[in-house]
Amino acid sequence: QVQLQQWGAGLLKPSETLSLSCTIYRGSFSDYFWAWIRQPPGKGLEWIAEINHGGSTIYNPSLRSRVTISVDTSRTQFSLKLTSVTAADTAMYYCSQVALAGNSLYNYWGQGTLVTVSS
Amino acid sequence: DIVLTQSPGTLSLSPGERASLSCRASQSISNNYLAWLQQKPGQAPRLLIHGASSRAAGIPDRFSGSGSGTDFTLTISRLEPEDFAVYYCQQYGKSPWTFGQGTKVEIK
Repeated sequence: QVQLQQWGAGLLKPSETLSLSCTIYRGSFSDYFWAWIRQPPGKGLEWIAEINHGGSTIYNPSLRSRVTISVDTSRTQFSLKLTSVTAADTAMYYCSQVALAGNSLYNYWGQGTLVTVSS
Repeated sequence: DIVLTQSPGTLSLSPGERASLSCRASQSISNNYLAWLQQKPGQAPRLLIHGASSRAAGIPDRFSGSGSGTDFTLTISRLEPEDFAVYYCQQYGKSPWTFGQGTKVEIK
């Protein structure tokens, strides 16, 4: 079972910048896209942003002004930055990769990073 | 934003029984871009179904998805012990992608 590895700071103060990164699983795939999703404690899932293999991005408008998703030029990892965090950004953050091979779709997830925003 | 409403909130069933979970969208989902995910406590979600009815790689065939437009269903034909979890639907037809609030399938 493939699990992406993700890392980044888990405790932030209000107004700081959240930075997370996630490895990319390379295989015999024809296309890829990568996303970040978060889940506040005890609550449901919220999609944050997505980037495809060509570098095109889509953002959740509710977070757009504070979020940047990027992928490195060698396509070995992708990252999330969220500026000016508040307590409302406290959540488990997951990275996710979707990869296509023929007619099959593969989905891989990171282990999650609990980010707590507290003064 | 497209709002997804899942029902029921909780489904109490026994192993071997059939489960039917509903997901209703506030507007039609283009291209039936509707996915179902499973999440167990302390774990990341796992994609089960995409495009309303296509199983992701490695997903057992007891999981099936159906529906179109605004009404979608996830069916688990015979519940295995490892299937008791929370299930989310997600639409990716119109940005922002959104999730339903989840249906918990618990052991009766």
